[in-house]
Amino acid sequence: DAGITQSPRHKVTETGTPVTLRCHQTENHRYMYWYRQDPGHGLRLIHYSYGVKDTDKGEVSDGYSVSRSKTEDFLLTLESATSSQTSVYFCAIRGGEDYGYTFGSGTRLTVV
Amino acid sequence: GEDVEQSLFLSVREGDSSVINCTYTDSSSTYLYWYKQEPGAGLQLLTYIFSNMDMKQDQRLTVLLNKKDKHLSLRIADTQTGDSAIYFCAEINSGNTPLVFGKGTRLSVIA
Repeated sequence: DAGITQSPRHKVTETGTPVTLRCHQTENHRYMYWYRQDPGHGLRLIHYSYGVKDTDKGEVSDGYSVSRSKTEDFLLTLESATSSQTSVYFCAIRGGEDYGYTFGSGTRLTVV
Repeated sequence: GEDVEQSLFLSVREGDSSVINCTYTDSSSTYLYWYKQEPGAGLQLLTYIFSNMDMKQDQRLTVLLNKKDKHLSLRIADTQTGDSAIYFCAEINSGNTPLVFGKGTRLSVIA
């Protein structure tokens, strides 16, 4: 979607290695979110941010950390990747009076 | 925490109407949403309804909200093969809380 990009789109990494996923927005929105999507679980919130350096945990935050040093970038780090973190990761931004989210195209991460 | 429930699968014939249902537990929901996810893509906002409304129509889409029963539905008229996707229901309580999503309903349209 216009205004939000995720990188990389695909990544294969080995168990135990650190991985960082990037979400970049050009909309200057305050709220940004990281979700993971897995079959049978739908979308689950990992972490979210409500401003520069302001972040909070979601329902599946164990094993993940985030940073937001600039409004436009929200980074998700897997400190030591495990096979259970193989998933599709989506970033979202929130803007407008209807509180609706705009999602990025996703990052497919495979941990081998 | 708050919960949103949807049936997982729905199959319809091309040209028929599709009705996707959702129930939620948060009695203080402010907005309720329907998102569509096509294969390999992110979620796309289809439509939303404010909690003080009963119905919203947008071309082939009709959203019905029953606040008493905490039930939301999405009706797609004249369903086409291009409507095949996963549809997510979501709700929000206030601007400071994240959206709560259902697990998604996979709609299959049979030609």
